[in-house]
Amino acid sequence: DAGVIQSPRHEVTEMGQEVTLRCKPISGHNSLFWYRQTMMRGLELLIYFNNNVPIDDSGMPEDRFSAKMPNASFSTLKIQPSEPRDSAVYFCATSSDRLRGEQYFGPGTRLTVT
Amino acid sequence: AQSVAQPEDQVNVAEGNPLTVKCTYSVSGNPYLFWYVQYPNRGLQFLLKYITGDNLVKGSYGFEAEFNKSQTSFHLKKPSALVSDSALYFCAVRAISTSGTYKYIFGTGTRLKVLA
Repeated sequence: DAGVIQSPRHEVTEMGQEVTLRCKPISGHNSLFWYRQTMMRGLELLIYFNNNVPIDDSGMPEDRFSAKMPNASFSTLKIQPSEPRDSAVYFCATSSDRLRGEQYFGPGTRLTVT
Repeated sequence: AQSVAQPEDQVNVAEGNPLTVKCTYSVSGNPYLFWYVQYPNRGLQFLLKYITGDNLVKGSYGFEAEFNKSQTSFHLKKPSALVSDSALYFCAVRAISTSGTYKYIFGTGTRLKVLA
């Protein structure tokens, strides 16, 4: 199994630009999570989906952030417009009902907004 | 509010000595409890979990954790630390939110440094 796949691995963009991060879950996993990690704020859960439906988006910082899961094998996290304070490592993680909460993390996307 | 606390930002231990990384939680109901490890420039990796049953749970790389319901703790332990265990460790909880959906809460992480 390839594990959770995230792209791009690194993204450098200028303030005001749109950024789209992508995640492909492990086949058969029906829960998908987006996290953000910074030195200042630690690891934050932004949103999670179950069976492609958003369940908890209370961690999404503001309206500039949006996430979609159009099907079971793909999800995006979009930031529009981006700001320097969005610079962080963004992780996607997936799980299944059988795993009972155990999550498998992708390698992350390191985002730098200048 | 439901929460997970890792009271130590960093734990230092000599190689070969036992290690403990502490975690306490405050949630309603019967939570599922997890430990994850993160090595530099990597995503988190699952170590072990407690759902029900035996209070001592064994996981990957020789780690174990003890669930204590009365103290609402789930401390991570290893009898003999290795230098390669040096990493960032996260405690996490899956609880039920007020809306009836699952709530996932992570601690702030504890950096473990094993000294040769």
